[in-house]
Amino acid sequence: KNQVEQSPQSLIILEGKNCTLQCNYTVSPFSNLRWYKQDTGRGPVSLTIMTFSENTKSNGRYTATLDADTKQSSLHITASQLSDSASYICVAANAGNNRKLIWGLGTSLAVNP
Amino acid sequence: KAGVTQTPRYLIKTRGQQVTLSCSPISGHRSVSWYQQTPGQGLQFLFEYFSETQRNKGNFPGRFSGRQFSNSRSEMNVSTLELGDSALYLCASSLKSNYGYTFGSGTRLTVV
Repeated sequence: KNQVEQSPQSLIILEGKNCTLQCNYTVSPFSNLRWYKQDTGRGPVSLTIMTFSENTKSNGRYTATLDADTKQSSLHITASQLSDSASYICVAANAGNNRKLIWGLGTSLAVNP
Repeated sequence: KAGVTQTPRYLIKTRGQQVTLSCSPISGHRSVSWYQQTPGQGLQFLFEYFSETQRNKGNFPGRFSGRQFSNSRSEMNVSTLELGDSALYLCASSLKSNYGYTFGSGTRLTVV
């Protein structure tokens, strides 16, 4: 069954600290792995998209890694800011004809001053 | 360049009524996808339209329908509303099907 699991479900960190969010996926055939940031009450915003041949991709203070062998991805946030408080959603894309997207439930991150 | 525009932003309806939500994609984007988001379920795919044709459909009852116009604007309709239809409805547009999504801010629907 195609699914995406994220951990932890929620996380609280202090401003300026780093954190790492985890994503495990079982999607076959696999096309790409995406991370989105969603502020409360808003639509998700794309952070990174990685194909199976890419190991890492950065977007400012956000760095995503992908291990296609173990089907794991992580999102590392460096020097967190209050504006990083949001839900971070991992999405795995199926490479089939319909290129279906499998969405995780997200990790809710709170950055406190 | 304007983003994806969804209207209205908030809506309150009564059980049994029907509702129509609107989505204007980014100029030049021909693919529009709709999602339902609830706290416990995450984003659930409703359907995708590309050049006025429905390409994919999620596992929702027939009360949920949609369409796309020649200018790529899309509408989704929910008939005979139920309390469980209360959710954030998100629209995403892209140049190609299921790639490079840009989401709108969503329509928050509350059914009472």
